[in-house]
Amino acid sequence: LAKTTQPISMDSYEGQEVNITCSHNNIATNDYITWYQQFPSQGPRFIIQGYKTKVTNEVASLFIPADRKSSTLSLPRVSLSDTAVYYCLVGDRGSSASKIIFGSGTRLSIRP
Amino acid sequence: DTGVSQDPRHKITKRGQNVTFRCDPISEHNRLYWYRQTLGQGPEFLTYFQNEAQLEKSRLLSDRFSAERPKGSFSTLEIQRTEQGDSAMYLCASSLILGQSSYEQYFGPGTRLTVT
Repeated sequence: LAKTTQPISMDSYEGQEVNITCSHNNIATNDYITWYQQFPSQGPRFIIQGYKTKVTNEVASLFIPADRKSSTLSLPRVSLSDTAVYYCLVGDRGSSASKIIFGSGTRLSIRP
Repeated sequence: DTGVSQDPRHKITKRGQNVTFRCDPISEHNRLYWYRQTLGQGPEFLTYFQNEAQLEKSRLLSDRFSAERPKGSFSTLEIQRTEQGDSAMYLCASSLILGQSSYEQYFGPGTRLTVT
């Protein structure tokens, strides 16, 4: 089971690009990388998922280097509403649900 | 709104009482998950269902906890003889599993339980 390490917290300002890096040194061949966002008093929300290189959707981009030992979630031009906790998850998409580990996440604070 | 609803949103109970929470998943989703989340921590897996079958339970799920998903639709999570340590946010999520992709789950807003 791949363990992930992410910064506990990050601060940024409106309009900036924010990059949150997640380390997963023992990622397995079949593992995917998934990011969730959680606002206070709400359940987590799926943001993006990838296996290698780069994935982009309307919310974020996910950069995964060739060795896949880390990944970076990139949020372009953040706003105050992007203040949330961001979780990086790594695992085989076909694995047992009990192996889905959220960890403590990265608390992102956006300032005006 | 993800389409997953939970009821109630808040529950205050006295130690020793039983409580039951309900989750209504997205209708076409075949998997339903329950998580528990305490302050400052990410969600912790409790149990999940594929249709009406409960496939896995975490070691966190003591004998006081029971979950059901009759007819593969809504689910209930019951906690008997509540303890103060049960105070947490209880989250429900659902997903559509066709082959793989266990990781894209849709979460409800949660039920916040406070045991006094």
